[in-house]
Amino acid sequence: KAGVTQTPRYLIKTRGQQVTLSCSPISGHRSVSWYQQTPGQGLQFLFEYFSETQRNKGNFPGRFSGRQFSNSRSEMNVSTLELGDSALYLCASSLTLTGQGYEQYFGPGTRLTVT
Amino acid sequence: GENVEQHPSTLSVQEGDSAVIKCTYSDSASNYFPWYKQELGKRPQLIIDIRSNVGEKKDQRIAVTLNKTAKHFSLHITETQPEDSAVYFCAVLSGGSYIPTFGRGTSLIVHP
Repeated sequence: KAGVTQTPRYLIKTRGQQVTLSCSPISGHRSVSWYQQTPGQGLQFLFEYFSETQRNKGNFPGRFSGRQFSNSRSEMNVSTLELGDSALYLCASSLTLTGQGYEQYFGPGTRLTVT
Repeated sequence: GENVEQHPSTLSVQEGDSAVIKCTYSDSASNYFPWYKQELGKRPQLIIDIRSNVGEKKDQRIAVTLNKTAKHFSLHITETQPEDSAVYFCAVLSGGSYIPTFGRGTSLIVHP
């Protein structure tokens, strides 16, 4: 079974631009969660999508948004990029909602650098 | 919100020694406690997890113990090997918020 994939793997943007990241979950998984990983803050939860609906949201500004399609693929968008948005963005898929304690499988991440 | 403290931040051991990493949490409603291993440049991978109705779980050289009263859980790795070198993250999931909170990570270095 193919694992979680993310595109692109690397991205360089300038301040003020916007970016869209993509995540394809494991076949059959309906939940996709997004995380931001930085050396300073560690792994932080952004949001979780299940059945095309955002189910949970972490403590991030409204510039961070996402969506999920009917095939469970998910996209994350960051508008008006700031230098502090430079990070590794990880998505993770799970059979069902994370809150039900099912194993999450992480993708390889997208390394975003904002200059 | 949930607060997760992970210690130590760095752990250096000799091959064959045991390693213990501890996490404390604040929300007594938390009910799911996974541990992830992240090797350099790679994605986090679940290595073991425990639910609030269990006190201990073991998988070969890896074990996790949970003390709900004291609100802490620990990862135990026995007979460490160089390939165990990685960053280990604990996470806590509350049945109420469904938002996972991660510890800051422990860099484990196993010297041959």
